[in-house]
Amino acid sequence: AQSVTQPDIHITVSEGASLELRCNYSYGATPYLFWYVQSPGQGLQLLLKYFSGDTLVQGIKGFEAEFKRSQSSFNLRKPSVHWSDAAEYFCAVVLGDTGRRALTFGSGTRLQVQP
Amino acid sequence: DAGVIQSPRHEVTEMGQEVTLRCKPISGHNSLFWYRQTMMRGLELLIYFNNNVPIDDSGMPEDRFSAKMPNASFSTLKIQPSEPRDSAVYFCASSQSRGDEQYFGPGTRLTVT
Repeated sequence: AQSVTQPDIHITVSEGASLELRCNYSYGATPYLFWYVQSPGQGLQLLLKYFSGDTLVQGIKGFEAEFKRSQSSFNLRKPSVHWSDAAEYFCAVVLGDTGRRALTFGSGTRLQVQP
Repeated sequence: DAGVIQSPRHEVTEMGQEVTLRCKPISGHNSLFWYRQTMMRGLELLIYFNNNVPIDDSGMPEDRFSAKMPNASFSTLKIQPSEPRDSAVYFCASSQSRGDEQYFGPGTRLTVT
């Protein structure tokens, strides 16, 4: 069965420090990959997406993610975290070749930023 | 565009009552999705429509849940009768074509007492 794993439930970083949030997926086919961010009491906002091509993708708010097929990973990174980045981050996939268009989400990683 | 619009934003009801959640997708989007978010199960798909037709309702918990999309600009998710375990945040999302990103509404926080 398809699944998305975010191994870190909670991460705390200092403001200005670098950030990497991990995401692994298990599919036989090439998925479409997404990172969403959810601030408290808010909906989900798309940070970036990967469909094909360059495996390093740039997103909004200074985030980037790298697709590594050999590791079935799509980790999210930011070189310098701002206090406003504190939120919950979700990795999600859509199976690209099955016609099923619904997102399957990971369990989320809650980011706390220390001053 | 106003984005995906959901109403109400908050709903508190008593067990056994009927609850109707509403969603207006982004104009021009041809797919609409209903998701539910709970602490125990995270974000999970309930149902999605393509061109107003239900495509996958495998996530609908049971017969108490029903969803309709009578036209391209409106969808409802109904729970009848509601139970305390239905308490969750319900999100509606829409997208333009296969693989494109989904745009989420602000959600409806449902509390069933």
